[in-house]
Amino acid sequence: ETGVTQTPRHLVMGMTNKKSLKCEQHLGHNAMYWYKQSAKKPLELMFVYNFKEQTENNSVPSRFSPECPNSSHLFLHLHTLQPEDSALYLCASSPRGAGGNQPQHFGDGTRLSIL
Amino acid sequence: DAKTTQPTSMDCAEGRAANLPCNHSTISGNEYVYWYRQIHSQGPQYIIHGLKNNETNEMASLIITEDRKSSTLILPHATLRDTAVYYCIVRHRNNAGNMLTFGGGTRLMVKP
Repeated sequence: ETGVTQTPRHLVMGMTNKKSLKCEQHLGHNAMYWYKQSAKKPLELMFVYNFKEQTENNSVPSRFSPECPNSSHLFLHLHTLQPEDSALYLCASSPRGAGGNQPQHFGDGTRLSIL
Repeated sequence: DAKTTQPTSMDCAEGRAANLPCNHSTISGNEYVYWYRQIHSQGPQYIIHGLKNNETNEMASLIITEDRKSSTLILPHATLRDTAVYYCIVRHRNNAGNMLTFGGGTRLMVKP
């Protein structure tokens, strides 16, 4: 139990579907992150939120739309995805957003498959 | 943030110490060394981090060379559950957004 919960754990969707991934952290952290992990590739940072404000968008296509309504919840809204978007999507949180040396705590991810 | 180099894979006998090296020859004075691991089907797990001094916690020890150009993560008594990919990451203490850049890591296989 890492204190970061992601749902669903597995998701299969068609390219025309719209779905959302959810992340919730129970650690009192102020920063939250979305990462993508494709097969045989390193983790790639997608988005960073500090105190509910998006501070980083790592050139992510607009078919991925993040939302952070409060410091404890983070969503990733998906629409018209492509087969190459099939991957493990990981959420993380940390105590402080900018600077500092606090480690990130990860959830176990959502395994997404695009048909 | 500085780049790191790690061996692609390593084996270790169960019960023995696992020593995982990491080269970070371009590290600057304000950059921390972090270690994470990722067990199959799970998210990355934070292990330990350090700046200059050696560090130890309940999971592992981190040995950083005096010139800070390399470090070693030590799992003192490896178990089968320590089989995972281990990532060494260098991050600037003032890294805006607290971002981590993951490389390929070292795949550690602990064998009976």
